[in-house]
Amino acid sequence: AQSVTQLGSHVSVSEGALVLLRCNYSSSVPPYLFWYVQYPNQGLQLLLKYTSAATLVKGINGFEAEFKKSETSFHLTKPSAHMSDAAEYFCAVSGRDYKLSFGAGTTVTVRA
Amino acid sequence: EADIYQTPRYLVIGTGKKITLECSQTMGHDKMYWYQQDPGMELHLIHYSYGVNSTEKGDLSSESTVSRIRTEHFPLTLESARPSHTSQYLCASSEGRGRQETQYFGPGTRLLVL
Repeated sequence: AQSVTQLGSHVSVSEGALVLLRCNYSSSVPPYLFWYVQYPNQGLQLLLKYTSAATLVKGINGFEAEFKKSETSFHLTKPSAHMSDAAEYFCAVSGRDYKLSFGAGTTVTVRA
Repeated sequence: EADIYQTPRYLVIGTGKKITLECSQTMGHDKMYWYQQDPGMELHLIHYSYGVNSTEKGDLSSESTVSRIRTEHFPLTLESARPSHTSQYLCASSEGRGRQETQYFGPGTRLLVL
């Protein structure tokens, strides 16, 4: 079985500040990990994914995430927040049965 | 750019009505999924399909049913809507080539049952 825990349901950052969203996973097989973003009234859009090729994964819109096996973590970061980053972010892990298990999501608000 | 469509986007309906939520994709993907999403909660898989004439129930029990008669179409039906069915329903598809594959999501249908 696999699961994901996202620490913090809400994160508020100032424009230009670092964005850090935390994700810890549990998986009985080598994990494939994903970060998705959901803007208001839209579906989920893939930001980036870890497929074991490299531990530091770069995604769209300036986001990146680092896979740390020893910490079972896959935290998402962006050096400088922009107003357009306000959205909900979901971490997910792909299990043995090819299905995705999602975290509960973290809502990001960006203060001007 | 993913091409997956859901209609209607918003639906308000009375208890006991039959409803069908439509989902179509133009990418030729074999796998399709329905998720239920409530505020502050993780997405829950309620149905999935590996191809034409294949449907399976997901991890979250649901009173809805699905069909997959054509590759591009994966409708979800509620025979008798109840207030407990109020939620957002997201459809997704993927190529079906392995655990690392990306799922592409539609914009969702927000359902309110009065």
